[in-house]
Amino acid sequence: GAVVSQHPSWVICKSGTSVKIECRSLDFQATTMFWYRQFPKQSLMLMATSNEGSKATYEQGVEKDKFLINHASLTLSTLTVTSAHPEDSSFYICSAIHTSGSYEQYFGPGTRLTVT
Amino acid sequence: GEDVEQSLFLSVREGDSSVINCTYTDSSSTYLYWYKQEPGAGLQLLTYIFSNMDMKQDQRLTVLLNKKDKHLSLRIADTQTGDSAIYFCAESIKAGRRALTFGSGTRLQVQP
Repeated sequence: GAVVSQHPSWVICKSGTSVKIECRSLDFQATTMFWYRQFPKQSLMLMATSNEGSKATYEQGVEKDKFLINHASLTLSTLTVTSAHPEDSSFYICSAIHTSGSYEQYFGPGTRLTVT
Repeated sequence: GEDVEQSLFLSVREGDSSVINCTYTDSSSTYLYWYKQEPGAGLQLLTYIFSNMDMKQDQRLTVLLNKKDKHLSLRIADTQTGDSAIYFCAESIKAGRRALTFGSGTRLQVQP
């Protein structure tokens, strides 16, 4: 149990276009989901906290108008990278916390975005 | 603030024990975690320890926590080539309720 999926697993897009990444909790409900990004050979950096039914909370330095987050249901959060640029190329990973308040975060497999 | 540090690289021979170290700065950390990441993949939770514990053992994995020194270690006994990966320690201040702060990751290379 406790599986988190991400779609797509990888995507290549042209500069200026927008890309939507989905994060789904497959067998549990998640009130809170997190979005991280990871540059090559670096650690994960938190981008934003996504709460079902409310606005996302963004970390300092993350542009909320560029990285749109929608957490419309207890099993789905989406991250849309708008007007993508090559510097947005990264590995985006989401995680989800069970609504029961478990200590554990369940991570998705990640989405590799390449902007050409 | 929160800061988690790890050494970048560790190389061991197959069958030896591996010890990966981590230091953190926030004394209010509630849970401390160890995750494994294989190339191109997401994170796999290996184990965790609550801040009021000193040690936790789970099969080949032993976690030691020195709260006074804010030092966490992960020992992998009988290391196998399949253990080659990047290992991240992470801390959570309010258990399960907020995002994790990750260390920089330690790349473990297991030589056959």
